[in-house]
Amino acid sequence: DAGVTQSPTHLIKTRGQHVTLRCSPISGHKSVSWYQQVLGQGPQFIFQYYEKEERGRGNFPDRFSARQFPNYSSELNVNALLLGDSALYLCASSMLAGGPNEQYFGPGTRLTVT
Amino acid sequence: GDSVTQMEGPVTLSEEAFLTINCTYTATGYPSLFWYVQYPGEGLQLLLKATKADDKGSNKGFEATYRKETTSFHLEKGSVQVSDSAVYFCALSDGTGNQFYFGTGTSLTVIP
Repeated sequence: DAGVTQSPTHLIKTRGQHVTLRCSPISGHKSVSWYQQVLGQGPQFIFQYYEKEERGRGNFPDRFSARQFPNYSSELNVNALLLGDSALYLCASSMLAGGPNEQYFGPGTRLTVT
Repeated sequence: GDSVTQMEGPVTLSEEAFLTINCTYTATGYPSLFWYVQYPGEGLQLLLKATKADDKGSNKGFEATYRKETTSFHLEKGSVQVSDSAVYFCALSDGTGNQFYFGTGTSLTVIP
C-alpha cells in the first residue's frame, strides 16, 4: 500500500511569492495534518483537517492556509513568502482526527525561499 | 499553552548500553503522549504511545510510562543496538485532540 505522498519534493521560491504544497493521505485515512520543520527542530503543527473541515490550527500567521478535498487529499498554501518560511513541510494522515490516533508522515516538501 | 521539553542531544552510547531520553510536558486536560523516531534517510514514524496516566507504551524494546504526577514520558531501552541510531521526538496531542506539539528531538548514535 502507498504511504503518504507529498509533492513537490523540493521547491525554490522568491520572497513575496506564493506556494502550494500537496499531500495525498493513505487510502482510508480521513484526516490530514500539516507541520513545519525547521532544520534541527521538531515539527511545528500548522493545521489539522478532518472530513474537509479545519479541526485545529497552530500558531501560524494568516499567510498560511489549507484545504482538504472530497478525496481527502490536501493543499497547504503560503502567501507572501518570507525567508523564515524556508523549512521542510510535512504532511501526516490518520484514520480519524485527533487524540490518540496514530499519524503517518510523508517524506516532506523542502521549501527554500531566497 | 501546552508544550513538550525533551533532553538535548546528541547522545552517544555503546552497543548494549541502557538508554534514557527524558521528556516532560505541560498540558491542560488529558493529553495523549507519543514517541516518534526518524531513522537516517527516512520519515517520521510512531515508536510508541500512551493515552492516559500510568499507561505504558512499548515497541521494539523501547518503553515509556505516562506519569501524570511528574508530567513526564521518558523513553527507555535496556540494551541499545547500532540500528537504534536515529532522532527521537517526544510529542503530545492536547486534550481536545486537535493540537499537536513536538519536542526538539534528541539525536542518538550507538557505536559498536
